[in-house]
Amino acid sequence: DTGVSQDPRHKITKRGQNVTFRCDPISEHNRLYWYRQTLGQGPEFLTYFQNEAQLEKSRLLSDRFSAERPKGSFSTLEIQRTEQGDSAMYLCASSLAQLAGGSTDTQYFGPGTRLTVL
Amino acid sequence: ILNVEQSPQSLHVQEGDSTNFTCSFPSSNFYALHWYRWETAKSPEALFVMTLNGDEKKKGRISATLNTKEGYSYLYIKGSQPEDSATYLCAPHTGNQFYFGTGTSLTVIP
Repeated sequence: DTGVSQDPRHKITKRGQNVTFRCDPISEHNRLYWYRQTLGQGPEFLTYFQNEAQLEKSRLLSDRFSAERPKGSFSTLEIQRTEQGDSAMYLCASSLAQLAGGSTDTQYFGPGTRLTVL
Repeated sequence: ILNVEQSPQSLHVQEGDSTNFTCSFPSSNFYALHWYRWETAKSPEALFVMTLNGDEKKKGRISATLNTKEGYSYLYIKGSQPEDSATYLCAPHTGNQFYFGTGTSLTVIP
């Protein structure tokens, strides 16, 4: 297994454009998480999926953000009408759920997608 | 939003020194605490998952303890090596999601 992969690794876009990122989790993992990390901060939870169902979404997440995991495998995160404040590292992680809620799941992170909005 | 504090923010130690960092979190709604190591240009790597008050986990020269009643965890590194240089993140889980601290950046000077 090659681990969690994310594509692209870097994205530079102009304000107002839409961007989409992809995450491929470890193949047998049923949980997939998205996080955002800005300079000097820890990863901030955005959303997570169990199989294809989106079970939790941060209340801080703007309506411009949407995520999908249509077949319970890879996931996409789309940001519409990007703003300069969206510039960050977007991290994806996957896990094999052991208990409901996932509190003890070991998460395996991808390398992240670095977004720069000009 | 959960207030997770890690201290110190950064740390420089000499090779061979032992060191420790702190993660503080609200003790209510606690389910588990995770520690991660994040080296520059790499992905965060899981170190420990801890759930019970008084838990102590060890992995080589690194160990961690957990106090859920007072809401803190310590991470210890014995005999630091240059390859230990990384940011160490803690992340309590409240039953719904993880909340990451801002991390402690460790630099081990050869």
